[in-house]
Amino acid sequence: AQKVTQAQTEISVVEKEDVTLDCVYETRDTTYYLFWYKQPPSGELVFLIRRNSFDEQNEISGRYSWNFQKSTSSFNFTITASQVVDSAVYFCALSEPAQGAQKLVFGQGTRLTINP
Amino acid sequence: DTEVTQTPKHLVMGMTNKKSLKCEQHMGHRAMYWYKQKAKKPPELMFVYSYEKLSINESVPSRFSPECPNSSLLNLHLHALQPEDSALYLCASSQVIGGSYEQYFGPGTRLTVT
Repeated sequence: AQKVTQAQTEISVVEKEDVTLDCVYETRDTTYYLFWYKQPPSGELVFLIRRNSFDEQNEISGRYSWNFQKSTSSFNFTITASQVVDSAVYFCALSEPAQGAQKLVFGQGTRLTINP
Repeated sequence: DTEVTQTPKHLVMGMTNKKSLKCEQHMGHRAMYWYKQKAKKPPELMFVYSYEKLSINESVPSRFSPECPNSSLLNLHLHALQPEDSALYLCASSQVIGGSYEQYFGPGTRLTVT
């Protein structure tokens, strides 16, 4: 069975600090897809990034960066120079094919609080 | 435009009421999803529609009845709910079934069952 583990339940840092959110996954598939979503207090899940298992290049988007390592089954997310607006719950997810459709296996989420 | 809209934003209903949640997207996505999310938990998949046909029902109680009238609309009909059904209900859509495309979520409906 597929599984995603986000061991950090809550993280609290001061604004402008860098912070890394950990994500470890388990799958027997050779082709798979990983995602990060942000859920601010308003409730909507906001898509941040998709990564497929064949692409191990790290990605940077502004203050956000992602480190994908198949050898350790990890897909970590770093926010550089954090801001109060980054406060949210962040979910890592693994896509699981099922009955011709797509199921997302979510981690438990990491609640990130950025203090001014 | 990557917007998924949901109405209403908040809903309070009694256990004997019948109500419906609505979801709409205009991104041309042919897969649509309903999720239930309890506080401090990740979303739990309830139903998946593919090309307007129900493809996955995650053993959801029959008091929840989904409907997909067309490729842009998704409804969730509610009847005889229990207080434990109080949660955030999220709708999502994705471009293609198959695992490779991200899902776009709506803002959700916060449901309270009294």
